[in-house]
Amino acid sequence: DGGITQSPKYLFRKEGQNVTLSCEQNLNHDAMYWYRQDPGQGLRLIYYSQIVNDFQKGDIAEGYSVSREKKESFPLTVTSAQKNPTAFYLCASSVAGTVHADTQYFGPGTRLTVL
Amino acid sequence: QQQVKQSPQSLIVQKGGISIINCAYENTAFDYFPWYQQFPGKGPALLIAIRPDVSEKKEGRFTISFNKSAKQFSLHIMDSQPGDSATYFCAAGSYSGAGSYQLTFGKGTKLSVIP
Repeated sequence: DGGITQSPKYLFRKEGQNVTLSCEQNLNHDAMYWYRQDPGQGLRLIYYSQIVNDFQKGDIAEGYSVSREKKESFPLTVTSAQKNPTAFYLCASSVAGTVHADTQYFGPGTRLTVL
Repeated sequence: QQQVKQSPQSLIVQKGGISIINCAYENTAFDYFPWYQQFPGKGPALLIAIRPDVSEKKEGRFTISFNKSAKQFSLHIMDSQPGDSATYFCAAGSYSGAGSYQLTFGKGTKLSVIP
């Protein structure tokens, strides 16, 4: 069953703690993305990676970090420097270098709540 | 600066009616325009997408109309059903190098289809 998995579905964090959100895909996609979704705000790009061991900042990268050590995995760390981390986090992936490179497929999301 | 403006924020349509959601963009570098459908607590799913070389694309009850000169595009849902009740996001994509696209999303429209 191919797709994108995100874990955990719900995550609670105390202020001042770092927390890592998992994203795994078995679609053999080269590109992966992290978005943040807040009510009434649409999706905003945090980081994206087009190839293993390389990634670029999106529009709201401050307070977040990522790694891309394997093609199928793109974990996101929400650091204590992120001032308002409570949000719904979405991971996506796409092929690269073909006519279908425009289509992004999304995972089910992780809802992070800071207590 | 909001690069993709979506309206209305919310929409109530009677079953069997036509739902219309509009989006406008500013950046002429955008060349890919998808619509995503999202149910509560789930990740967005691609509904339909269009390239600027065509003015209309239809898939079942869903139609995208595209006006390149006005930099506007819209989603029409014909014969709207209660199962269509969801949040709809428009997006605009531009090539980000290395064969992948970067998407900029509108803020979303919450559609409610009432029996």
